[in-house]
Amino acid sequence: AQRVTQPEKLLSVFKGAPVELKCNYSYSGSPELFWYVQYSRQRLQLLLRHISRESIKGFTADLNKGETSFHLKKPFAQEEDSAMYYCALSDSLSGGYNKLIFGAGTRLAVHP
Amino acid sequence: GAVVSQHPSRVICKSGTSVKIECRSLDFQATTMFWYRQFPKQSLMLMATSNEGSKATYEQGVEKDKFLINHASLTLSTLTVTSAHPEDSSFYICSARDSRGWEKLFFGSGTQLSVL
Repeated sequence: AQRVTQPEKLLSVFKGAPVELKCNYSYSGSPELFWYVQYSRQRLQLLLRHISRESIKGFTADLNKGETSFHLKKPFAQEEDSAMYYCALSDSLSGGYNKLIFGAGTRLAVHP
Repeated sequence: GAVVSQHPSRVICKSGTSVKIECRSLDFQATTMFWYRQFPKQSLMLMATSNEGSKATYEQGVEKDKFLINHASLTLSTLTVTSAHPEDSSFYICSARDSRGWEKLFFGSGTQLSVL
């Protein structure tokens, strides 16, 4: 079955520390993966996707097919990075149509 | 940027009544809309996918007679929770995308449904 796993519910770091939010997936086909972010009292928004291979707000994520992982990283955390982060997988194999499957989410708390 | 408007943001209703939630794409044509349900401190669970002008596709375990979805136009989809019961209390989120791909997927702000 297609699945996205985020093992950490909460990641707490100090400002300036490196951050890695873990995401592992299970998918039979060629995966398309995303990271979404939800800041306090705001709606979900796309942070980045593996296809674009870009860095957004200092965050990067590399797809590792061997380890079936798509971890989100940032070398120096900022307080404004505090938010809920969701890893998501585009599933086009189940049911004949395209849909997004979300992980459980990880809350990142960056302390001053 | 593109915006998806979801209303109401919060609704409280009595058990047995029906509640309608609206999801509108404000500046793009939403060929596909998705409805999610989120329990406290849990992930978004996809309920159904609707394409404009066709019947919604429901995920396994989601009662289509309980959660009626209508996507009659390219800018509006509605979710009606029929004969609501306390166990239907949850946070419901819609999202919409146009034909250009997942980078053009936008989320509504969600609706907190409380059934007494």
